[in-house]
This record gives sequence, structure tokens and C-alpha cells, in this order.
Amino acid sequence: QKEVEQNSGPLSVPEGAIASLNCTYSDRGSQSFFWYRQYSGKSPELIMFIYSNGDKEDGRFTAQLNKASQYVSLLIRDSQPSDSATYLCAVTDSGGSNYKLTFGKGTLLTVNP
Amino acid sequence: ETGVTQSPTHLIKTRGQQVTLRCSSQSGHNTVSWYQQALGQGPQFIFQYYREEENGRGNFPPRFSGLQFPNYSSELNVNALELDDSALYLCASSWASGGATDTQYFGPGTRLTVL
Repeated sequence: QKEVEQNSGPLSVPEGAIASLNCTYSDRGSQSFFWYRQYSGKSPELIMFIYSNGDKEDGRFTAQLNKASQYVSLLIRDSQPSDSATYLCAVTDSGGSNYKLTFGKGTLLTVNP
Repeated sequence: ETGVTQSPTHLIKTRGQQVTLRCSSQSGHNTVSWYQQALGQGPQFIFQYYREEENGRGNFPPRFSGLQFPNYSSELNVNALELDDSALYLCASSWASGGATDTQYFGPGTRLTVL
């Protein structure tokens, strides 16, 4: 059973701080990694994707991937109350058809004003 | 807004009934994936449709079935509804070429309640 694990949270940070969200995955052959944000009662919204080892930055968000450690993280700099949401880590299956996303349970982030 | 639409928004059914959920993919996308999200859980993959054929299936029983139409819109059908089928059903649209799927964008979801 391929698994994606996220720190259970909830994670609470003050406004302006850096929020660090972590994710590990069991399928060593996974190729693509995604972070989605989900507000309560809404559907997941894509924040970032990363395919290669290292860091990828987009505005206040930085995704980090370490395939050897089977670890992916999301850093949110200058956290804002509007960042308060559940963050879902998703990983594609290995093999010829990487069609399936396997999600973690999500980490609830609360940014306090 | 992703351009992916789903209908209906909410639905209430009783155990044993059948339900059909609908999804229109984003313009330019040819692949639709369906996910089930129970409360407090991450989405779970049901199946994916590519070029009107099922391209992969998760660990869901045969009473979960689907279709994709020539315009790439899709339906999810669930027969013999059970209480545990109560969940948010998400449709995700993407562009796929040769089986490898690009980034998936989610629609707003359909909230199904089974009584």
C-alpha cells in the first residue's frame, strides 16, 4: 500500500512567521509531487508542483524535494491569516502511467494575527 | 477558478439509491479523474478517464462506474448507495499524452449525503 504521510498538525504560527509543512512518501519511484491548499468546505487548489530534487520558489512559497529521503516540504514565508487552510501533499504513482495522485491526510495550518 | 465545473453542488440520497454526478473539464484538457474525500481525510482516487476509456482505477467496488464523453466531460455513477459513500466527490481535469498525466486541477466538488 503506497502511502503519503504528513505531520498531523494542527500547526499554528503567528502572522509574518515561516510555516513549514512536511510530507514523506513510500513509493520510491514517484516522479511528481504536488501541494494543494484546501479551505474548509472547498475543493483543493493547486499551489505548487515539483519534479526535481532541490528547491522551487514561487512568491512566498518554496517547495523542497529530496527523492533519496523520500521527503517533500512546503515553506510559506511571511505567513498571512489568509494562508489558514489544510495543506495536502500529493504524489503520483511510479510506473508507466503516473495518472493517480495519492494524497496525505493534510496538515491544518492556522496563522494567528 | 480552474474552469472545471461539477453538478450538482449538494445531493441527499437514501441508502440503496443510485446517483449520477457530472463534471465538465477545463478547456484544452482531455482527461478527467474522480476522487472521493471523506471528512478529515485526503482525497482518494476512484478512477480516471482518458479518451473516453478508463485509464486506471483505485480500490473502489464495481458499483462505482463512470463515463467520458467526446467533449471530455464525465459522469460518475454510484449504485446501491451505502452510508459510507457520504463524502465530497471531486473531479480533476488535466492534459494527458500517452498515459502520463500532467497537473490535475480540481472542480468545486459535489457533497453527497446518504441517509
